[in-house]
Amino acid sequence: ETGVTQTPRHLVMGMTNKKSLKCEQHLGHNAMYWYKQSAKKPLELMFVYSLEERVENNSVPSRFSPECPNSSHLFLHLHTLQPEDSALYLCASSQTASGSSYNEQFFGPGTRLTVL
Amino acid sequence: AQKVTQAQTEISVVEKEDVTLDCVYETRDTTYYLFWYKQPPSGELVFLIRRNSFDEQNEISGRYSWNFQKSTSSFNFTITASQVVDSAVYFCALLRGYNFNKFYFGSGTKLNVKP
Repeated sequence: ETGVTQTPRHLVMGMTNKKSLKCEQHLGHNAMYWYKQSAKKPLELMFVYSLEERVENNSVPSRFSPECPNSSHLFLHLHTLQPEDSALYLCASSQTASGSSYNEQFFGPGTRLTVL
Repeated sequence: AQKVTQAQTEISVVEKEDVTLDCVYETRDTTYYLFWYKQPPSGELVFLIRRNSFDEQNEISGRYSWNFQKSTSSFNFTITASQVVDSAVYFCALLRGYNFNKFYFGSGTKLNVKP
């Protein structure tokens, strides 16, 4: 596997279900991200992990719970979701740079989530 | 506040036409980075280019070219001789120079290239 992979690619769940999204990066990066992409909306950054510690949490509801056990893996645990949570959830990774350098993010293919 | 505006929601062109996708950004930072990503129907965002705020040189890569103008806070993307495979949603993004973990994305422009 190369790049950033996400599983599952599609998920349908009821509002009372508990499920998890998985992301794995094979690029040796030290930062990982969860984004939500809803129809006709800009990409919304949900969580950022740098060196396996959460550094950003943009006021995401507690029904979304991230987990980053190591620098290569990132999970998004879902419980008691709402229909408006239906969206494409994208994972990304990057190499956090220092000084005046910069870093682009590499994205996975996303998980298309439908909440019934 | 940081903001990226892509005013064109959707553009349709016929194959071989040239097309320009507009991107206007807002930031008070002196150090920042600009990016373009392509999102084909498969969903994965594909990195196309990055530019830092100190480098206003335009860039050409094959049929793609980018025009960065700080005076107008714009970073426009032109596809020359468009092809059907160029059909995708294109996103412009801004990265603040001192916060390498935060991207600001525009709402995207959907490009339809018809044969």
